[in-house]
Amino acid sequence: GAVVSQHPSRVICKSGTSVKIECRSLDFQATTMFWYRQFPKQSLMLMATSNEGSKATYEQGVEKDKFLINHASLTLSTLTVTSAHPEDSSFYICSARPAGTTNTGELFFGEGSRLTVL
Amino acid sequence: AQSVTQPDIHITVSEGASLELRCNYSYGATPYLFWYVQSPGQGLQLLLKYFSGDTLVQGIKGFEAEFKRSQSSFNLRKPSVHWSDAAEYFCATSGTYKYIFGTGTRLKVLA
Repeated sequence: GAVVSQHPSRVICKSGTSVKIECRSLDFQATTMFWYRQFPKQSLMLMATSNEGSKATYEQGVEKDKFLINHASLTLSTLTVTSAHPEDSSFYICSARPAGTTNTGELFFGEGSRLTVL
Repeated sequence: AQSVTQPDIHITVSEGASLELRCNYSYGATPYLFWYVQSPGQGLQLLLKYFSGDTLVQGIKGFEAEFKRSQSSFNLRKPSVHWSDAAEYFCATSGTYKYIFGTGTRLKVLA
């Protein structure tokens, strides 16, 4: 099956620093990638949808200047948490939709990245 | 607006017992429905999906789900649960461009 890899799986940073999380589709091209945030024992909250070569579409309430998303190639999307604060600590998960598929298609998920801001 | 509801936050079953996880959807037309499973600290894995056709859908790991339009439900079932099935289960529906997830049901399996 299709594989999506996220890196790093765990990251600890100091308050005020920026952290970049990468999401790669290893064996397929993904025109669309999604970034989710998951709080402990809660569901996935969609943060933004990124389309290759264009600006990300952010969900209501998500600060676009805080969570920078770049989708520069068909296999890579990055999420940068800028000026991180302890309240940004969370589990971030990306998913990718293979090129040529629609909303009926399966999404492939990364393993997630746990961010802890001290 | 599309939505999915998972009424049960936690469910505990004994190993070998049958399982049913509930999911209710809200959508005017025929929805695209999915069940995903998440093991602790991991991403999500697709168990099965429904778009149209046969309302009883077979998935991986022995899971099945039945689409019932009259009840707006898409419940997940397994006849005999294994200890390795302990995980978080999410029902989801697909809109025009994004997925909407339910709040999840955490399954605990007793030995």
